Amino acid sequence: EPEVTQTPSHQVTQMGQEVILRCVPISNHLYFYWYRQILGQKVEFLVSFYNNEISEKSEIFDDQFSVERPDGSNFTLKIRSTKLEDSAMYFCASPDRNQNTEAFFGQGTRLTVV
Amino acid sequence: AQKVTQAQTEISVVEKEDVTLDCVYETRDTTYYLFWYKQPPSGELVFLIRRNSFDEQNEISGRYSWNFQKSTSSFNFTITASQVVDSAVYFCALMDSSYKLIFGSGTRLLVRP
Repeated sequence: EPEVTQTPSHQVTQMGQEVILRCVPISNHLYFYWYRQILGQKVEFLVSFYNNEISEKSEIFDDQFSVERPDGSNFTLKIRSTKLEDSAMYFCASPDRNQNTEAFFGQGTRLTVV
Repeated sequence: AQKVTQAQTEISVVEKEDVTLDCVYETRDTTYYLFWYKQPPSGELVFLIRRNSFDEQNEISGRYSWNFQKSTSSFNFTITASQVVDSAVYFCALMDSSYKLIFGSGTRLLVRP
């Protein structure tokens, strides 16, 4: 079964530091998404990415955030200067728009900002 | 506006009871997809089912069943003979025309032995 892999599974960082969350999406998929889930809350859309550019972003995705596909396999989410309120679970998703099956989520990265 | 409402914040049942988790959605799209995910304490999102807007047949998978009713914009999920391992947060989600998922706020299910 296709798999989306996220690293690290858990990251602790100091406020103000930059973090990069990594995702290896499914190899022949073209669309990639990041979602965020603050502890105890719902999962929220952050950004979608296609053809090396952002196709849609939410209000949450402000200038502190950026995404890129640096090498054709990895898909990264960077938070430039972390704040306490960035503490959350971050999920990468790699849907198959042709098959429209499931959204294929990674196992998530739990980010803790201290 | 696209929206998913899960009115039940938390449900507690005793093992072997049946339980239904409600989901109501709003969308302007004529073609859309509905999902249910399970989130155990470990945190990952476990895919349970996808339904497209043209398929209103109810589905059963073991102890799980889903009732999709377009007329009431609902996609409810029933667990028959619940087990302790069913304890988790369950999310209903709507996939919009840009293929992003809009999640409900989730229902925490606690199954007591």
